[in-house]
Amino acid sequence: AQSVTQLGSHVSVSEGALVLLRCNYSSSVPPYLFWYVQYPNQGLQLLLKYTSAATLVKGINGFEAEFKKSETSFHLTKPSAHMSDAAEYFCAVRGGGGYQKVTFGTGTKLQVIP
Amino acid sequence: NAGVTQTPKFQVLKTGQSMTLQCAQDMNHEYMSWYRQDPGMGLRLIHYSVGAGITDQGEVPNGYNVSRSTTEDFPLRLLSAAPSQTSVYFCASGGENEKLFFGSGTQLSVL
Repeated sequence: AQSVTQLGSHVSVSEGALVLLRCNYSSSVPPYLFWYVQYPNQGLQLLLKYTSAATLVKGINGFEAEFKKSETSFHLTKPSAHMSDAAEYFCAVRGGGGYQKVTFGTGTKLQVIP
Repeated sequence: NAGVTQTPKFQVLKTGQSMTLQCAQDMNHEYMSWYRQDPGMGLRLIHYSVGAGITDQGEVPNGYNVSRSTTEDFPLRLLSAAPSQTSVYFCASGGENEKLFFGSGTQLSVL
């Protein structure tokens, strides 16, 4: 069984402030973890992925995430928020490699205040 | 490359009607899947496939059927639509250990 829990359905930050979006996972096997972003009326795009190569993963648009096995966490951060970061962010887990199914969290909507 | 193509973009059905949501990908991906997105519930997996002739259920399979006769196509069938199936549907495909590529979505309303 696998699942992800995203803490906070809505997060508001000021432009230029730190962005922190939280994700905790559960997996019976070493997980593959992903963060996706969805802009209004669009499909999802990959921000970054963890596949056991390195615990700190850098993605697009200045985002990064750190895999912490002891905390079963994979939180997404960005040092300085831009207005263009306003979107919905989804954490996802694939239990193991290959073609295992991908399970998504409930999403966090990020609001950036000017 | 077209990527993942979903049709139609919008659909309105009456309760009890049937329809098929089409999904096609041109990236030779073995893995294909269908999700529904509802406010506050994220994306929930309906069905997925790991290759032609192989399908399996996700979290919310009831009321939906799938088949995978070719690598490229993975249609989702609603046999008897219900208002609870009003949602936005996304098809996604991916290679081994790789990210998912998403279609642009189908907004379905069941009256």
